[in-house]
Amino acid sequence: EVQLLESGGGLVQPGGSLRLSCAASGFTFSNYAMSWVRQAPGKGLEWVSGISGSGGSTFYADSVKGRCSISRDNPKNTLYLQMNSLRAEDTAVYYCAKARGSSAYHSVDYWGQGALVTVSS
Amino acid sequence: DFVMTQSPDSLAVSLGERATINCKSSQTVLDSSNNNNYLAWYRQKPGQPPKLLIYWASTRDSGVPDRFSGSGSGTDFTLTISSLQAEDVALYYCQQYYSAPFTFGPGTTVDIK
Repeated sequence: EVQLLESGGGLVQPGGSLRLSCAASGFTFSNYAMSWVRQAPGKGLEWVSGISGSGGSTFYADSVKGRCSISRDNPKNTLYLQMNSLRAEDTAVYYCAKARGSSAYHSVDYWGQGALVTVSS
Repeated sequence: DFVMTQSPDSLAVSLGERATINCKSSQTVLDSSNNNNYLAWYRQKPGQPPKLLIYWASTRDSGVPDRFSGSGSGTDFTLTISSLQAEDVALYYCQQYYSAPFTFGPGTTVDIK
C-alpha cells in the first residue's frame, strides 16, 4: 500500500524558513517523480514544485522560484521541500504527491494527508 | 505559463442525472509525437486530499467507477459523471502536466439538486 507521510509543518514568522519532509513507502521510490501541491485555506490547488525520480530534474512554480528548493533522498525514501523567505501567502496545507511515472510529466496518483504551514507573526 | 479555466464554477444535479464539467487550457496540451493529452481530472471531498479520476484526458484510474469519463483534445476537455451519486458531491479540478508549472484549474463544485 502506497503511503505518503508529511512532516515539518507548523507556525513560522514572515521571513522565516521551514523544511517539509515526506516519508514514502509501499512503492519503489526512485522510480517515480514526486511533487508538492499546496492549498491555501478555502482555496483551490496550486502546484508548487516537482522532481524527477532520479532527482536530476526539478521544477518550480513562479510563486516560489528562488525561495524554495525541492530535493529527495532515494535511499531514505524521503522527499523534501526547503522553504525560505516565507510570506503570509505561503500559508497552506502542503501535500506530498506521487507521480505515475519517473518523469515529472505525469499526473499524480497518490497524495499524502497534508502538512499545514502557517506564516504569521 | 499555461492557464487552466473551468466551467461552470458550480453545478447542482439531481441524483442519477448527468453532470458535465468543462476545462480549457490556454495552450495545447496535446503532444503530437505520442498523441497523448497531458490532462488529468481530480476529485476532492471536504477535508481530504484530492483523488485521481482520469489521466491522459480519458483514461480512468484504477478503481474509478465507469460513470466517470473524460473526453477532449488539444485545449478543450470535459469530465462527465453519467449518473450522479451522493458520494460525488465534491470539488473537481483539471490539471495540465504538459509544461511546468503544472497548473490546476480553479475547480468546479458539484452538489445535489
